[in-house]
Amino acid sequence: DGGITQSPKYLFRKEGQNVTLSCEQNLNHDAMYWYRQDPGQGLRLIYYSQIVNDFQKGDIAEGYSVSREKKESFPLTVTSAQKNPTAFYLCASRTGKNSPLHFGNGTRLTVT
Amino acid sequence: SQQGEEDPQALSIQEGENATMNCSYKTSINNLQWYRQNSGRGLVHLILIRSNEREKHSGRLRVTLDTSKKSSSLLITASRAADTASYFCATGNDYKLSFGAGTTVTVRA
Repeated sequence: DGGITQSPKYLFRKEGQNVTLSCEQNLNHDAMYWYRQDPGQGLRLIYYSQIVNDFQKGDIAEGYSVSREKKESFPLTVTSAQKNPTAFYLCASRTGKNSPLHFGNGTRLTVT
Repeated sequence: SQQGEEDPQALSIQEGENATMNCSYKTSINNLQWYRQNSGRGLVHLILIRSNEREKHSGRLRVTLDTSKKSSSLLITASRAADTASYFCATGNDYKLSFGAGTTVTVRA
């Protein structure tokens, strides 16, 4: 089955540590996205990538980094510079700029 | 910045009733999309309406778009318990896609 896999589902880290969230898709989509969702709120765009080896900052990129070395993979690193990293992180992909997004089931990150 | 904003924030209806929610946005768009999110899960795409379309149907869903008012509405007819979820509109040009804060719909049995 084609889809987007985010792992792990739950992640716990101590403050001051960097952590990398995995996102893999086998949909052959060019574009990939990372969103952050806080309780009871909408999604905020962190980073997006239109094509391999290229990515752009979204609305809340500070304290995050990404890479896009392969079409299938778009990992997100939450660095120690992110002031409030505890949140639900969603990865998505789509074929092009006017097509629907396909989402993974998210990673819930808790930093204490 | 979140371009789309949904209204109301929350909606509680009886099973069988219709549910209507609205989305307003600020700048010109190529299309507007509606998504559903069940608690703790990823979003699922429901319907995409292009800027040159005024209305679109998919099963029990009806979406309208008024580009002159920069607004859209999503109507769910004959609601079921399984429709309990949060609903989001998404807008954007080019590759950047922004979401509103969503409308939480509760369907009571």
